[in-house]
Amino acid sequence: NAGVTQTPKFQVLKTGQSMTLQCAQDMNHEYMSWYRQDPGMGLRLIHYSVGAGITDQGEVPNGYNVSRSTTEDFPLRLLSAAPSQTSVYFCASSYGQGKGHEQYFGPGTRLTVT
Amino acid sequence: AQSVAQPEDQVNVAEGNPLTVKCTYSVSGNPYLFWYVQYPNRGLQFLLKYITGDNLVKGSYGFEAEFNKSQTSFHLKKPSALVSDSALYFCAVRDGTAGGFKTIFGAGTRLFVKA
Repeated sequence: NAGVTQTPKFQVLKTGQSMTLQCAQDMNHEYMSWYRQDPGMGLRLIHYSVGAGITDQGEVPNGYNVSRSTTEDFPLRLLSAAPSQTSVYFCASSYGQGKGHEQYFGPGTRLTVT
Repeated sequence: AQSVAQPEDQVNVAEGNPLTVKCTYSVSGNPYLFWYVQYPNRGLQFLLKYITGDNLVKGSYGFEAEFNKSQTSFHLKKPSALVSDSALYFCAVRDGTAGGFKTIFGAGTRLFVKA
């Protein structure tokens, strides 16, 4: 199993550009999440999904969109990049209720917005 | 709303000494509690969890954590620290109420183990 994969590893954007961060998992996990990691602030939840077709907002959803058309994929879209979105982005997945509960994380995407 | 507090930005300990990394939480339902570790330029790795049962849980690499409901704490411990334990440690909480999934993380505590 590849686990949780994220692409790209690094990205530089100009203010106002849009892009999609890709996330995929091959463990048949129901739950998937996107976090951003900033120094001194830990991981903050952006959006999450409890299954295909179901998404919800986390702590810091503004400026980001998600969709979950399949169990495997959970892309994160930046609509109009801003310097405040410079961060490291992590995707995570886990089993649903009654199984496991711990999250498996991807290697991260380091995004710089100039 | 859920929240997690890790009161120490950094913990320094000598190799061979016991270590403790503190975590307190707030959640409306039954807490599901987790510790994760992050090594430089890597994603997070799961260490251990408390879901139900024994208040002392054991995890990977000799780490353990004690759930204290009255103090709403879930401190991470290890009897004898290794230099290789130096990393960034995150505590996380999830509302264990049926249907709850949102998992919130603390700000992290950097552990330095000196040889």
